[in-house]
Amino acid sequence: DAGVIQSPRHEVTEMGQEVTLRCKPISGHNSLFWYRQTMMRGLELLIYFNNNVPIDDSGMPEDRFSAKMPNASFSTLKIQPSEPRDSAVYFCASIRGGTGELFFGEGSRLTVL
Amino acid sequence: RKEVEQDPGPFNVPEGATVAFNCTYSNSASQSFFWYRQDCRKEPKLLMSVYSSGNEDGRFTAQLNRASQYISLLIRDSKLSDSATYLCVVNVGYKYIFGTGTRLKVLA
Repeated sequence: DAGVIQSPRHEVTEMGQEVTLRCKPISGHNSLFWYRQTMMRGLELLIYFNNNVPIDDSGMPEDRFSAKMPNASFSTLKIQPSEPRDSAVYFCASIRGGTGELFFGEGSRLTVL
Repeated sequence: RKEVEQDPGPFNVPEGATVAFNCTYSNSASQSFFWYRQDCRKEPKLLMSVYSSGNEDGRFTAQLNRASQYISLLIRDSKLSDSATYLCVVNVGYKYIFGTGTRLKVLA
């Protein structure tokens, strides 16, 4: 079975540019999470969707960040405009139901120059 | 105070050694507990769930102490392939809260 699929794997962009990260959760998983990982802060939850509905976006750092989940098989995380401090690895993860094993994608490594 | 705290390490141990990691959590309403493993530049993957009665999976043993709000992971007979970062994870409702991880390096 396919796991969580993220794209792009690597993104290098210049400050001020728009960045869009994509995620396809595992089929049948109804909960989706976006995390950001940095050396200093570890894994931070950005936003949580349940059945395609954003339930908790309190971790989204600023209005420059937005996330959507138009259907059960696709989600996007957008940063506009990007800044150097946004450089991090962004992970998407999904789970069936409320608890259990959280499955992660391979991550999108973002570098903002 | 962080919700989930771990000693960042690194723990450098020789092959065959036994090593233990601890993790403390602050929310007494925490429901489920896990250890995840993350290799360098890879995604986190579930190592094992942690049950109140303690549980073992081969060389790995996990313990939970709800009264003191800490979780432990014991690795026996360390292998070179155990070198990784071990993340303590606490589940509260829908939230999975990750510690910053403990780095382990097993030396030949």
